Amino acid sequence: GAGVSQTPSNKVTEKGKYVELRCDPISGHTALYWYRQSLGQGPEFLIYFQGTGAADDSGLPNDRFFAVRPEGSVSTLKIQRTERGDSAVYLCASSPGTNTDTQYFGPGTRLTVL
Amino acid sequence: AQSVAQPEDQVNVAEGNPLTVKCTYSVSGNPYLFWYVQYPNRGLQFLLKYITGDNLVKGSYGFEAEFNKSQTSFHLKKPSALVSDSALYFCAVEGMNTGFQKLVFGTGTRLLVSP
Repeated sequence: GAGVSQTPSNKVTEKGKYVELRCDPISGHTALYWYRQSLGQGPEFLIYFQGTGAADDSGLPNDRFFAVRPEGSVSTLKIQRTERGDSAVYLCASSPGTNTDTQYFGPGTRLTVL
Repeated sequence: AQSVAQPEDQVNVAEGNPLTVKCTYSVSGNPYLFWYVQYPNRGLQFLLKYITGDNLVKGSYGFEAEFNKSQTSFHLKKPSALVSDSALYFCAVEGMNTGFQKLVFGTGTRLLVSP
């Protein structure tokens, strides 16, 4: 079956612009996670959705970052007033829903802020 | 607070030799431990996990890992390395037991298998 997909695969934007990154989880997975991976680092947790609600957004770095999952499937990570420090690979993962389930990751979106 | 340490930035091994990639962790609750592999320009691929039960966990592509509670370690091993195993390996832990899986990752270990 289809895995987690993310679009776009690459996004180049200018400082100060707004961007949206999309994640399509595996069908039927109720849990969805966003992570950010900076160069040379491991992924860092941003936000977790169970169904439509953001159950934990403690990893979002500041209020320029926001994510939604309005129908409990596709999720969009939104970044306002982008800064050069936002440049990273943004990874999405989904799992069936319990805390022992495996998270399956998408290929990521590489964001470059010029 | 949770943390994961991968003390080696890179591990070099000859094809056919056994390999070990080290991981130690620190958590406040019971640890759930994971290994993922990342190939260039690809997302993370799941290899194996320890949740409970047998300390020796077997996973994909012939990899295995041993959970050692006293040493707080979860080293990844393979009896005979392949050149195609060359990639970036990440250890991750969830130990807050909050009801969902807030993974904390190590910084990664690059495995280079030479022919």
